[in-house]
Order: sequence, then C-alpha cells, then structure tokens
Amino acid sequence: DADVTQTPRNRITKTGKRIMLECSQTKGHDRMYWYRQDPGLGLRLIYYSFDVKDINKGEISDGYSVSRQAQAKFSLSLESAIPNQTALYFCATRNSGGGDTQYFGPGTRLTVL
Amino acid sequence: QKEVEQDPGPLSVPEGAIVSLNCTYSNSAFQYFMWYRQYSRKGPELLMYTYSSGNKEDGRFTAQVDKSSKYISLFIRDSQPSDSATYLCAMYSSNYGGSQGNLIFGKGTKLSVKP
Repeated sequence: DADVTQTPRNRITKTGKRIMLECSQTKGHDRMYWYRQDPGLGLRLIYYSFDVKDINKGEISDGYSVSRQAQAKFSLSLESAIPNQTALYFCATRNSGGGDTQYFGPGTRLTVL
Repeated sequence: QKEVEQDPGPLSVPEGAIVSLNCTYSNSAFQYFMWYRQYSRKGPELLMYTYSSGNKEDGRFTAQVDKSSKYISLFIRDSQPSDSATYLCAMYSSNYGGSQGNLIFGKGTKLSVKP
C-alpha cells in the first residue's frame, strides 16, 4: 500500500461548489503539506501543518482552508471553487527529525468548470 | 528575483547522452539540496539528496552543489528513455522549526530521452 494516499484522484466540479480533498499517510510523519502544481508555475505551497494543533498558511492560501483531523490525516477544502483553482494538487509529508526529506502523494487532478 | 531559478526546457536528448540539469538560487542560507523526479501524472519522488557543497553519486546520477556560486546540478550518464520526466530541484535552509525548513522548489525541467 502507498505511504501517502489522496482521494479523490480526479474530480470535476462546477464554479461555486464546495470541494474537499483528503490526504492520509502511514509514514508516521508529523509534518504535512498541500501544494498545487500548474504548468509553468511549478509547485506552490498552499498550507502546511507541523502537528495537529499547528497549521500555517503557505504562499497561496486565499480561497483554501485545511483541517488536520489527526496526525495521519490532512484535508484541503475549497469553500467556493472557481475555474482558476483548476490544477494538480499534491499532499506531502515529512518527519521533523533532522535531515529528512518530503514524500508526495499521487496527486488529485481538479477541474473547475 | 525568484529564490530558485530552473530552466523549464523542454530538453530533448538522444539515448545514451549525458544530461546536465541546473538550478541557481539566491538565498545563501540554503544548506540542504534535493532533486525530485516526476513522471507524467505522478507525484514527485526523491532522486538525490545532498547537504552543503560537494558531489554525490548514485548509479548513473550525480548531484553537485557549489554554494559559492549558488548553483546546483544533476548529471545523468547514459541517459535512457525511462529517464524522461520532469526534474525539480528543491532546497531549504534549516530543519529546526518555522518556515525555514520548508522546501523551496524550482519550476522543473522537462526532459525527453529519445530512443
């Protein structure tokens, strides 16, 4: 089984709808991240969480919210989806122990019509 | 100036060629440097990880860091069609709490290795 899973893998929705993307991990890592990836813009950090009670905004948090339900679960919500939120979304995890790196989920392709 | 600059390509090479991928950065506090490989419709996966300056070799891959020039490179020897992917550089300054530990990514270089 994959260490970092994301659901759904693909989603098409309409402008104004509320959408939730979910991420689960079995790596036991304390840090979790949400990114979006757009052609020509690379990976951009939306939100990150160092533990269940520590949630921080990334560089592009407007229009998004998150919830860290448990150490292993981190969900991303779009309260009222708009077409420019069409992108590939990745969850990632990382251990706060020194020198470790980041592991990515398989991604969710979101299309907002 | 962006913190991390990476030529997006695309880069197309024949099978067997030596490939050189590069990133430049502006923050002299960066100490940890990574290369990720991302296949189409997949999440990035860690390829190489180095700390501070120097070289690191793993099979056909060599990562090189020159902190004095703020320049990192990834070399692929004897490139194969299976190496066709987008390569992203990433770096961070400190793992000790706060946003300094967050990875800063380049935009990625798309590589195509033709048979």
